[in-house]
Amino acid sequence: EPEVTQTPSHQVTQMGQEVILRCVPISNHLYFYWYRQILGQKVEFLVSFYNNEISEKSEIFDDQFSVERPDGSNFTLKIRSTKLEDSAMYFCASSPPPSSGRAQNEQFFGPGTRLTVL
Amino acid sequence: DAKTTQPNSMESNEEEPVHLPCNHSTISGTDYIHWYRQLPSQGPEYVIHGLTSNVNNRMASLAIAEDRKSSTLILHRATLRDAAVYYCILNLGSGNTGKLIFGQGTTLQVKP
Repeated sequence: EPEVTQTPSHQVTQMGQEVILRCVPISNHLYFYWYRQILGQKVEFLVSFYNNEISEKSEIFDDQFSVERPDGSNFTLKIRSTKLEDSAMYFCASSPPPSSGRAQNEQFFGPGTRLTVL
Repeated sequence: DAKTTQPNSMESNEEEPVHLPCNHSTISGTDYIHWYRQLPSQGPEYVIHGLTSNVNNRMASLAIAEDRKSSTLILHRATLRDAAVYYCILNLGSGNTGKLIFGQGTTLQVKP
């Protein structure tokens, strides 16, 4: 079965540096998401993306964050100037078109990128 | 966003059925009830969803109360691999952004 992939699996960076987390969603999916999970806490929604634009974002997703689908396959999350509190697991997810026969808004999650900000 | 309430943790013995409850008293008519789970060190994984009728798939069954204010995820024979955090999430149907709002979920321990 097709999977969502994410790279790198672990990223270590210095505070203030820019990071780009990469995701390859499942090929025929149309809806894309980023979530994060701080260690020991719940999974938090960051942003949803559809038709080449952000459809919804949370309060966490401030001006330091941006998303892009630069080509037909990748979906990236950029953090411009990382802070210590950005340390977390970041999960990418994708969702198929409603007509695919899949569940309404069934989301397929990647394995995550662990971001450590020092 | 409508809220759900789940017990923090539950225990089960291997090969026995498990019933994971969820209360969602403020559910609206267009909210679907979704269940996801998160195995240790992995991303969340879709389990099952429903609107009004009970649902079965290869992973689990979902029993939805007639008034839709509660639901129960049923694992028919728990295995060690089913030890995970189970999330009950209300999600609008097609046409919305599809964001999932996770709560703390229920941590299921399965004992051999």
